Amino acid sequence: DAGITQSPRYKITETGRQVTLMCHQTWSHSYMFWYRQDLGHGLRLIYYSAAADITDKGEVPDGYVVSRSKTENFPLTLESATRSQTSVYFCASSEIAAGAYNEQFFGPGTRLTVL
Amino acid sequence: QKEVEQNSGPLSVPEGAIASLNCTYSDRGSQSFFWYRQYSGKSPELIMSIYSNGDKEDGRFTAQLNKASQYVSLLIRDSQPSDSATYLCAVNRDDKIIFGKGTRLHILP
Repeated sequence: DAGITQSPRYKITETGRQVTLMCHQTWSHSYMFWYRQDLGHGLRLIYYSAAADITDKGEVPDGYVVSRSKTENFPLTLESATRSQTSVYFCASSEIAAGAYNEQFFGPGTRLTVL
Repeated sequence: QKEVEQNSGPLSVPEGAIASLNCTYSDRGSQSFFWYRQYSGKSPELIMSIYSNGDKEDGRFTAQLNKASQYVSLLIRDSQPSDSATYLCAVNRDDKIIFGKGTRLHILP
């Protein structure tokens, strides 16, 4: 399917476990982003990537790891999940990001619960 | 000062009226401005982008940008119940986009 997809859509895990959220886009966009959305905080950037093998931290990177070996995939790993990482996670992509015209398009989201 | 500020609402507007959503931003270097709509339990959906001072119209939506006042707004004409959602203002900072916390809009039938 064309567009941007995320898996799983829902995930329940336990504190201390490792969890990987997947993101896949078919547009060949250069930039990809991971956000978390929590009540009272809005959308907060976790990590982003300008191209394969190039990643950078966002506003709230602690406790998360990303990789981007292929342009179309951008997995997000919680190395040791904590309850504070319970959230809705959105992946997004854009063609370009430097300066203007960096319209981002979002995946459907993953709702993660850490018990 | 927060980078992107919006009134959280809820903003209640009668069906058929004009809904006016406002946003201010702090970075004078920002060049790109966006409005996203987010229905409950769904992902944000881009509805308008604006890059120059003035108005930009798309159907029932008009985005307005005033860089001197660091102000961007979204007008929704002939509001419909399907417009009830949270509207996120977003502004670029370097190669990232900073989102406001959103304004909840409720269209009253």
